[in-house]
Amino acid sequence: EVQLVESGGGLVKPGGSLRLSCAASGFTFNNAWMSWVRQASGKGLEWVGRIKSKTDGGTTDYAAPVKGRLTISRDDSKNTLYLQMNSLRTEDTAVYYCASGASGQVRGQGTLVTVSS
Amino acid sequence: DIQMTQSPSSLSASVGDRVTITCQASQDISNYLNWYQQKPGKAPKFLIYDASNLETGVPSRFSGSGSGTDFTFTISSLQPEDIATYYCQQYDSVPLTFGGGTKVEIK
Repeated sequence: EVQLVESGGGLVKPGGSLRLSCAASGFTFNNAWMSWVRQASGKGLEWVGRIKSKTDGGTTDYAAPVKGRLTISRDDSKNTLYLQMNSLRTEDTAVYYCASGASGQVRGQGTLVTVSS
Repeated sequence: DIQMTQSPSSLSASVGDRVTITCQASQDISNYLNWYQQKPGKAPKFLIYDASNLETGVPSRFSGSGSGTDFTFTISSLQPEDIATYYCQQYDSVPLTFGGGTKVEIK
């Protein structure tokens, strides 16, 4: 069974940084494309970005609102996906979910990031 | 970017009713479509992939169909536990995009 467990969320001031983690199990992580998806309170789901498997080049793609500020990486030895969040803005406040596969299947329980002074 | 338009944005139906939600893509996405259910305060639950394939463990009263630009999600007999917001999501190309959601309530 695919399991994705996010962690690392919290309260951060505007302009600050935070790193989220997603521990994966139940599938061959190093072969998987992985994504982050977020959801602001009372709003819909928004794709943040993805990273391909190293076999497929390990390249990343990002949504326009986060490009240049948020960075996705992976450690296949630890079956862990990361989201490094820099220059955070109040509009980045959301629950962040981990998603697996090229189709970006959201399966995690999420971690809350609050950007506020 | 591919725009996903869901309708209706909300609906109210009785227990046992057949409920249908539509999702329209702004361009051809073949069958690269997921459906999710999200109950209040909970994470989204993945229901359907490739437009019509049920995820393991999902009740058979849920179904999906369509290809190209027009897709349908159906609950054959609405149950009280189906009260939730439902989202479609395309994965034909990045950025992956979601529909705006359909809130399903009991009449």
